[in-house]
Formats: sequence, structure tokens, C-alpha cells
Amino acid sequence: EAQVTQNPRYLITVTGKKLTVTCSQNMNHEYMSWYRQDPGLGLRQIYYSMNVEVTDKGDVPEGYKVSRKEKRNFPLILESPSPNQTSLYFCASRRPGGHEAFFGQGTRLTVV
Amino acid sequence: AQSVTQLGSHVSVSEGALVLLRCNYSSSVPPYLFWYVQYPNQGLQLLLKYTSAATLVKGINGFEAEFKKSETSFHLTKPSAHMSDAAEYFCAVTRRSNQAGTALIFGKGTTLSVSS
Repeated sequence: EAQVTQNPRYLITVTGKKLTVTCSQNMNHEYMSWYRQDPGLGLRQIYYSMNVEVTDKGDVPEGYKVSRKEKRNFPLILESPSPNQTSLYFCASRRPGGHEAFFGQGTRLTVV
Repeated sequence: AQSVTQLGSHVSVSEGALVLLRCNYSSSVPPYLFWYVQYPNQGLQLLLKYTSAATLVKGINGFEAEFKKSETSFHLTKPSAHMSDAAEYFCAVTRRSNQAGTALIFGKGTTLSVSS
């Protein structure tokens, strides 16, 4: 089954404690991205990757890091989480051009 | 730069009534356009997409959307709402390009409520 898998689904952490949210896709898509969803703001892109070892900032990259060492994986790293990073996070993958994005189930992160 | 505006953060309809969710885009080049639906506690699911074939696009669950270049719009409609249509809906745009790195830009979403 074609899918994008994120882990964990729910995470509560404390300010400053480094964390990683994993994302894996089994569709051999070149393009992967991370979004955060906040009420009234829709989905905003954090980082995206066009292929292995190629990443770039989206609209709200501050406080986040990513890496793309393998085509299927695109982890999101919060080196020092802060409460304003409490949000619902989605990973997505797609092929270039007019192809739709496939989304993971989301990770609800709470930073206290 | 591309952008998407969804008019109305919340739309309420009665079961059986017409559903109309509005989306306007801005793009310097011809776009690809998408509508996604998000049910509670779930990820986003594609409803339909416009990629330059027919301007009237039919999607899943009886939804359709019409691309109107002159109005830069891509409104989503359904003739008769069902209770199961209650969800949040997102319009999205991406630029036509040979480059892989074209971002998918989302609107802020419209929550659809359906009453019996």
C-alpha cells in the first residue's frame, strides 16, 4: 500500500529537549516536505527536499532542521523545542509537476 | 509569488443543500490546482486536481471544481451536502515548472459544517 508514515503520532516534550519526528514514504517520490498546521493559518511549509541531499527552506524554517540521506526518509529535527512549536505536523511526498502530494497521518507535538 | 485565498473560514449548510467553497489563487504562470479534505484527526486526502485538461474537474464523493482563468478562481462545489462531508477543506496551488522544487502552497482552510 502506498503510504507516508510519520512517527510518533503524539508527542509531549519539555522546552529545550531535542527531538526527531520521522517520515518515510514507499512510493519512490523525489519530493518531500514538512508542514505545520495551526488554527486559522492553514498549512505552512517548513522545509522541503527535491531529492537526496537536496533540501531548502520553506516559509517557516526557524527552529527546525531536516536531512535527506535516503530517498524514502525525511526526518524533522527540533534541536531545542520551544512552546511556539506546539503544532500539528505533516510530512508529504509527491512526484514533480502536477502530481498530488500524499500526506502522513500527522504528529501532534506539545512543548511545555 | 504564488498564493491562495479561501473566502470564508467557516461555511454551514443543511443536509441536501448546495456546497460552495471558494478559492482564488495568484500565480505568475499557469498553475496546477488542488482541493484536499481533512477529516478530524486524519491527514489530508486529495479530492480533485486541475492540471490543464478539462476546466471542470470531477473528484471523489461527488465534488467538482471549475478552473476559471479570467477570475483566477477554482471554487469547489457539491450539489447536495451529506453529513459525512463535514470536514476542513484546503485549496492548494503549485507552479508549472520542470523543476522538482516547486512548492505546494495551501490556503488557510474552510471548515464545512452540515446540519440535519
